[in-house]
Amino acid sequence: NAGVTQTPKFRVLKTGQSMTLLCAQDMNHEYMYWYRQDPGMGLRLIHYSVGEGTTAKGEVPDGYNVSRLKKQNFLLGLESAAPSQTSVYFCASSYRDHQPQHFGDGTRLSIL
Amino acid sequence: GENVEQHPSTLSVQEGDSAVIKCTYSDSASNYFPWYKQELGKRPQLIIDIRSNVGEKKDQRIAVTLNKTAKHFSLHITETQPEDSAVYFCAAPGGNYKLTFGKGTLLTVNP
Repeated sequence: NAGVTQTPKFRVLKTGQSMTLLCAQDMNHEYMYWYRQDPGMGLRLIHYSVGEGTTAKGEVPDGYNVSRLKKQNFLLGLESAAPSQTSVYFCASSYRDHQPQHFGDGTRLSIL
Repeated sequence: GENVEQHPSTLSVQEGDSAVIKCTYSDSASNYFPWYKQELGKRPQLIIDIRSNVGEKKDQRIAVTLNKTAKHFSLHITETQPEDSAVYFCAAPGGNYKLTFGKGTLLTVNP
């Protein structure tokens, strides 16, 4: 089992460009999450999903959109990238709430 | 929503000493408290978790204690080794379906 796989691992964007980060899990988990990690700020939840076809806002959702069309995939989109979105993005999944979350290796995103 | 505070933000110990990291939470209904370890440039990984029906849980050199009355829980690492050097995050349920993470503690174990 690969666990949680994130693509790409690195990306550099110019302000105003758009892109999609892909997260795939092969553990048949219902719940999936997108976090951003900035120095000294810990892990902050952007959006999450409790099942195929569902999404919900987390702590810092502005500027991001998500989709969960298939149970195993959770996509994070930036429609118009801004320098403030420079961060490391982690995807995670869990069997259900209040269960261990399994993280991907992260995507390091720089916006110039 | 849940508010999780973690202290200290940095901790330096000598190899073989013990390390303690403490977190407080605000929602008295919270019932699941995990701890994650993140090595430099790597993903966060769960190292231990505790549920509200127990006060302490141990796994080799790692233990977690929970005080629901005071709304705090702590990570204890005994006989620290250089490979324990990492950032440690606590978390508590931030409402339905999600976790709120503390800001992390950078633990450095000096040989």
